[in-house]
Amino acid sequence: EDQVTQSPEALRLQEGESSSLNCSYTVSGLRGLFWYRQDPGKGPEFLFTLYSAGEEKEKERLKATLTKKESFLHITAPKPEDSATYLCAAGDLSSGSARQLTFGSGTQLTVLP
Amino acid sequence: DAGVTQSPTHLIKTRGQHVTLRCSPISGHKSVSWYQQVLGQGPQFIFQYYEKEERGRGNFPDRFSARQFPNYSSELNVNALLLGDSALYLCASSLLGTGTEAFFGQGTRLTVV
Repeated sequence: EDQVTQSPEALRLQEGESSSLNCSYTVSGLRGLFWYRQDPGKGPEFLFTLYSAGEEKEKERLKATLTKKESFLHITAPKPEDSATYLCAAGDLSSGSARQLTFGSGTQLTVLP
Repeated sequence: DAGVTQSPTHLIKTRGQHVTLRCSPISGHKSVSWYQQVLGQGPQFIFQYYEKEERGRGNFPDRFSARQFPNYSSELNVNALLLGDSALYLCASSLLGTGTEAFFGQGTRLTVV
């Protein structure tokens, strides 16, 4: 069974204090590792897609990396507006439904001013 | 360009009733997926439709059904509502059925009382 596990569940940072969020996955036929940001009561906002081990993508203060078993979302010098829940999802091609995303439970990030 | 739009945004229903949720995908996107997100958890896959055909179904009871129309919009129907059906229902659209990013709407918050 496909599994995506995110850690930590919650993270509190001071403004400017860099850190990383972890996403480990067990998917038999990985077809993309996706990162989303979700604000309370809103739908997830797409951030990145990673397809192969060693791939990296950056957007402002965020950088996502991928290995064969995990992905990391690095946050450099975060600001209070980066506070949100960050969701990781794996796309599974082997299920026959390649748009089926298996989500982790998310990391709730709070950045204090 | 308009993003994914869902209606209604909020809904309160009584146990045993039926509900219909609607989704309009991004223009040009042919794939629509539905997800259920319970508070504190990541979204869970319900259905995927591509070119008006069901391409995938998650582990949900037969009370849940969906369809996609010729204009690629979609409906999610839930019969015989239970208290446990209370959740944020998310619609995601993607350009193709496989290997492309999924963009989410703002969701429909369903409360069953």
